[in-house]
Amino acid sequence: QKEVEQNSGPLSVPEGAIASLNCTYSDRGSQSFFWYRQYSGKSPELIMFIYSNGDKEDGRFTAQLNKASQYVSLLIRDSQPSDSATYLCAVKGTSGTYKYIFGTGTRLKVLA
Amino acid sequence: DTEVTQTPKHLVMGMTNKKSLKCEQHMGHRAMYWYKQKAKKPPELMFVYSYEKLSINESVPSRFSPECPNSSLLNLHLHALQPEDSALYLCASSNRQGANTEAFFGQGTRLTVV
Repeated sequence: QKEVEQNSGPLSVPEGAIASLNCTYSDRGSQSFFWYRQYSGKSPELIMFIYSNGDKEDGRFTAQLNKASQYVSLLIRDSQPSDSATYLCAVKGTSGTYKYIFGTGTRLKVLA
Repeated sequence: DTEVTQTPKHLVMGMTNKKSLKCEQHMGHRAMYWYKQKAKKPPELMFVYSYEKLSINESVPSRFSPECPNSSLLNLHLHALQPEDSALYLCASSNRQGANTEAFFGQGTRLTVV
């Protein structure tokens, strides 16, 4: 079982719709969770991070964390073509090393 | 300011060359990271420095040699690389190595080994 799993996509949504990106993780002791956006050929850009159960909103982005279900999601409201990118979920594990473990990413396409 | 600066942006090197990648941050971050990313794959951790000391080496071949001269700088020395080492090399930094800290990435160095 992979440590951090994401559906590779592509996830296609029309412009203006809500895009929902999901991520599951295997280490129940994981403490912090991050969403990065990566455009083709560019480096990852931090969008959101969440440490506590529940929702965290920042502009058009909402991160949702459910530690009991080992599930973290990212909602993008009013999706724009410029949101088309790969979204990487990263989890910071326990075991004392605090490594960022990345999922394989979900490719999002927002159709104009 | 969340800027991590990497140089060079692109590098082509032969298999017998020695080159270095550089990374700099002035955010006062005390943890710095090297990642390697191949096309359509997630970043893979190579090394972590915490307070200028190497804290994680993910069994990286010795042809990659990291160095942290001070709290703002991180280098990756390259020697006798193979074509399969061609990738995007990413530097990142975070406030510290603990749990609830977010990492910021530089723009990367696109390395091609010929």
